[in-house]
Formats: sequence, structure tokens, C-alpha cells
Amino acid sequence: AQTVTQSQPEMSVQEAETVTLSCTYDTSESNYYLFWYKQPPSRQMILVIRQEAYKQQNATENRFSVNFQKAAKSFSLKISDSQLGDTAMYFCAFMRTGTASKLTFGTGTRLQVTL
Amino acid sequence: DAGVIQSPRHEVTEMGQEVTLRCKPISGHNSLFWYRQTMMRGLELLIYFNNNVPIDDSGMPEDRFSAKMPNASFSTLKIQPSEPRDSAVYFCASSPLGIAGAYEQYFGPGTRLTVT
Repeated sequence: AQTVTQSQPEMSVQEAETVTLSCTYDTSESNYYLFWYKQPPSRQMILVIRQEAYKQQNATENRFSVNFQKAAKSFSLKISDSQLGDTAMYFCAFMRTGTASKLTFGTGTRLQVTL
Repeated sequence: DAGVIQSPRHEVTEMGQEVTLRCKPISGHNSLFWYRQTMMRGLELLIYFNNNVPIDDSGMPEDRFSAKMPNASFSTLKIQPSEPRDSAVYFCASSPLGIAGAYEQYFGPGTRLTVT
């Protein structure tokens, strides 16, 4: 079974600064996908960024980028130029490849962006 | 694109009553997932369907829970009888899994269920 660990329950960052959220996972699979989801107070789950395990290049989406270290089973999220709208819970998630695979989520990191 | 649609958004019911949650996936998606979110257990998968067929229901808590997907555009999650410990936010997600290499899951807004 796969597990996802987010060791930072809460983090705070000032507007315009950069913050990194940590995520580690455990799996015996060699092919899989990793995701970061954002859940603002509205509770909507929003896909932020995704990474295929077979790709060495780290994914980027505008101000969001990841540091994927497959050997270390680490998948951190970096948010640059933080904005007040980035305030949310952030969940790291793992999914095996294959037909209809489920997401396994971490416990989340609550990020507060302050003025 | 309307996204994943869930109804109702909020449901308050008394213990012992039947509750039915509804989901309309994104058109063209072939996979549908029901997740539950609680403070104690976080986000956990209850059941998922591929091409309307249940693939894995091992996350369904007990026989009080049942899910159906009669066609590609509709799914229900039913709890009968409901109990206070069923109080949670229930999410439906859909995915175009395997279509043109896609694999992302897109979530609906969730249904907040309160059982008193």
C-alpha cells in the first residue's frame, strides 16, 4: 500500500515571498503520478500541478513548481511570489498508473499568506 | 465546461434517515470516484467506477453505504440508515483516465453532510 506524508501541518509566508511545502511518499511501484491539490476555504479541491514519475524534468505551472526526487521519494511544492489567494490547505497525492487508479492523499499543509 | 456537479451542496438529516448524494461527471470522462473528507481520517476513497463499472469498493465503510452509476452521466452514493459518524464532506471526482494519456481527477464542490 502507498502512503503519503506531509510533515508540516501549518506554514505561513508573507505576500510576494517564496514558500516550499514538503511531501514524501512510500511505494514499491516504479510508474506513478504525483499531484498537489489546493483546497481554499470554499472547500473546492483544485488541481495545482502534476508530475509523472518517469519524467526527470520537474513540472512547473506559472508560480508553482515542484522538486521531484524519485530516489528519495520526495515531492515538494514551491510557490513563488505568494499571493493572498494562495491561502489554503495543500494536499499532496499519489496515484498508481493503470486503469481507474485512486488518489492517496497526505494529511495536508495549511498555508497562510500574510500581508 | 460545467465541471463536476454535485447535489445537494448541504444536507442535514436525522440519524436513521436515508441520504442520497448525486454526481454528474464531466462529459466524456470515463472514470468516477467518490471520496470522503473528515477531520479524523482526512481524504479517503470510498469507491470508483470505470466505464460505469465499479472497480474497487473496498473503501466503502459498511453495508449501509451503496453507490451506483447507471449511465456515464450520473452516479449516486446512498447511506441507509445514516449515523452521526457519517457526517463529512463527500466529494465526487471524474477523470478521462487513459484517454489521450490523460489521468487527472477533477473534483466537484462536495456535499457537506450533517447527521444529527
